[in-house]
Formats: sequence, structure tokens, C-alpha cells
Amino acid sequence: GQQVMQIPQYQHVQEGEDFTTYCNSSTTLSNIQWYKQRPGGHPVFLIQLVKSGEVKKQKRLTFQFGEAKKNSSLHITATQTTDVGTYFCAGPGSGNTGKLIFGQGTTLQVKP
Amino acid sequence: KAGVTQTPRYLIKTRGQQVTLSCSPISGHRSVSWYQQTPGQGLQFLFEYFSETQRNKGNFPGRFSGRQFSNSRSEMNVSTLELGDSALYLCASSLAGGEKLFFGSGTQLSVL
Repeated sequence: GQQVMQIPQYQHVQEGEDFTTYCNSSTTLSNIQWYKQRPGGHPVFLIQLVKSGEVKKQKRLTFQFGEAKKNSSLHITATQTTDVGTYFCAGPGSGNTGKLIFGQGTTLQVKP
Repeated sequence: KAGVTQTPRYLIKTRGQQVTLSCSPISGHRSVSWYQQTPGQGLQFLFEYFSETQRNKGNFPGRFSGRQFSNSRSEMNVSTLELGDSALYLCASSLAGGEKLFFGSGTQLSVL
């Protein structure tokens, strides 16, 4: 079945270092979404990418959607302790039925 | 605008019992999705409802069921609970499904 994979599963960085998480889908996606879940919290929507090769920035966060619309990445420049959490990518399931398939997530720990 | 509300926040049940979880979506949202989150499995899609109709179902046994009411509120039921059902159950709403999801705080279910 359709799968969305994320790597790495965990990442520990020193505050100020950069961080990147990668997302790969087994099928072409019409769009990809990114969510952040803080420890003890619930996932919160960050962004949606729709176009092939699209790049969007939110302050220190840069999101990319691959040319083939099967992969995506999230890059954080100069991490801060507030970036701690788990980052999920998600893509629509087959058919237009409101199903989102989530990657396993990348948990980011930032050492001050 | 009130967010997605899930009740109860915590539940402790024993094996063999059944449980009903409730979700009130954001006003105006007609799509409600349910996800199971466990540390090892990430966010697993359970089902999605739109205008009282189940549009999609994940790979869960028939013990997991749900419904949506005319006011878009949704409930999910798990019968004959098993230890492996212990998880955080998240409800998410969106306008029509497939776009930006708004998650509730979840119901933490522990099966003893």
C-alpha cells in the first residue's frame, strides 16, 4: 500500500546547528503537508506544498517539494530550544477522500 | 473560534471492555478524521467522516468503529479492548477533508 517514510527517526543537535528531515512517498503526491508536535502536545499544521519543486520559507524553516512530487524536506537553520518536537510529513491517500498518510516523524532534540 | 475538542482527556480501561471517544470539530468543518498514535507506529489513520458518511477506513480490525452526527460531531468506539489498543487517539477536523488538519488534544487510552 501507499507509504510515506521519514528519516532520520531521531536527531540530537547542539543549539545553533542546522537540522534537516527527509520525507519520501511511494507514490506521487498532489501535495504534502508538514506538522509539528511538541512533547505532550498534538500535531500542529506548519505548511502545505503543492507545486513541483516548490520551496517555501517560514523564518528559519525551509520546506521543499521534490520535482517528481514524491519527496520533501524540512530544513531548520540555527536550531533553538523552541524547535524541539516531532516533525511529521503527510500526503493524501489515494482518491479524494480526506485521508492523510503520515510519515513516522523525526524527533528533534536540541541541547542548549 | 473554538478548536477541536476531544473528551475525555484520559481513560483507563481493562481488557475486554469497550470505550467511546468523542470529538467536536471546529465550527463549519465537515470532515473529521481519527488517528491512533503510539510511540513505535507514529500516526495511523483510523477513518474519516464527511457529512455523516465514512469515506475511508484504515487497516484496523472491526472492533474499531465510528460515526458522525448531523452537527459534524464524531464518536469512535473500540470494543473488546486489548492491551495493544493503549494509545493516544487523535481527532482532526478540516473543512472538506484532505487539506490542513486541526487536531484536538487527544484521548490517552490505557488498557490494563
